[in-house]
Amino acid sequence: GQQVMQIPQYQHVQEGEDFTTYCNSSTTLSNIQWYKQRPGGHPVFLIQLVKSGEVKKQKRLTFQFGEAKKNSSLHITATQTTDVGTYFCAPAAVWNYGGSQGNLIFGKGTKLSVKP
Amino acid sequence: NAGVTQTPKFRVLKTGQSMTLLCAQDMNHEYMYWYRQDPGMGLRLIHYSVGEGTTAKGEVPDGYNVSRLKKQNFLLGLESAAPSQTSVYFCASTIGGNPIYYGYTFGSGTRLTVV
Repeated sequence: GQQVMQIPQYQHVQEGEDFTTYCNSSTTLSNIQWYKQRPGGHPVFLIQLVKSGEVKKQKRLTFQFGEAKKNSSLHITATQTTDVGTYFCAPAAVWNYGGSQGNLIFGKGTKLSVKP
Repeated sequence: NAGVTQTPKFRVLKTGQSMTLLCAQDMNHEYMYWYRQDPGMGLRLIHYSVGEGTTAKGEVPDGYNVSRLKKQNFLLGLESAAPSQTSVYFCASTIGGNPIYYGYTFGSGTRLTVV
């Protein structure tokens, strides 16, 4: 079945430094979503990427979808303490777990801590 | 607009007891999901439903049962709780589609401890 690897698992940065997390899939994806989970909170949808090579920005966050649609990245410029949390990628595949309906496969996430 | 509501928020069970977690959404979403989250394991799909009256197994379905009698509700049952089921449980919903093209809306979670 489809596997998703997200790296790194943990990242500690000084406030103001940049941060990048990568998501790699073993299969070609139809699209990919990104979520953020604050400590003690629940995952919150950030963005979706659909097209090959697509780049989207949300303020200091830049999301990229690989040309081959097998990988994606999230880059945060000049981190702030409000960026603390775990970032999950969630690729969508047309099939999953033997069913015919689509589901999201969540990576294990990258936990970001920011030192003020 | 409440979104996705999970009840209860916290629960302590003794081994062998049973309980039901309730998830309710008011967004008229077709698809609903139950996940468990354990340290270092990410989100693992337990069961899901693509419409009223339908359910399907996810990655870790053993020890759980689900029902979707009404479109807005998705129930997760533990028949005989085990310490290995200590976890944080999240319900999520989305509009639907294959593949998924809309973001999931998650509930705030249920923290379950089995002693």
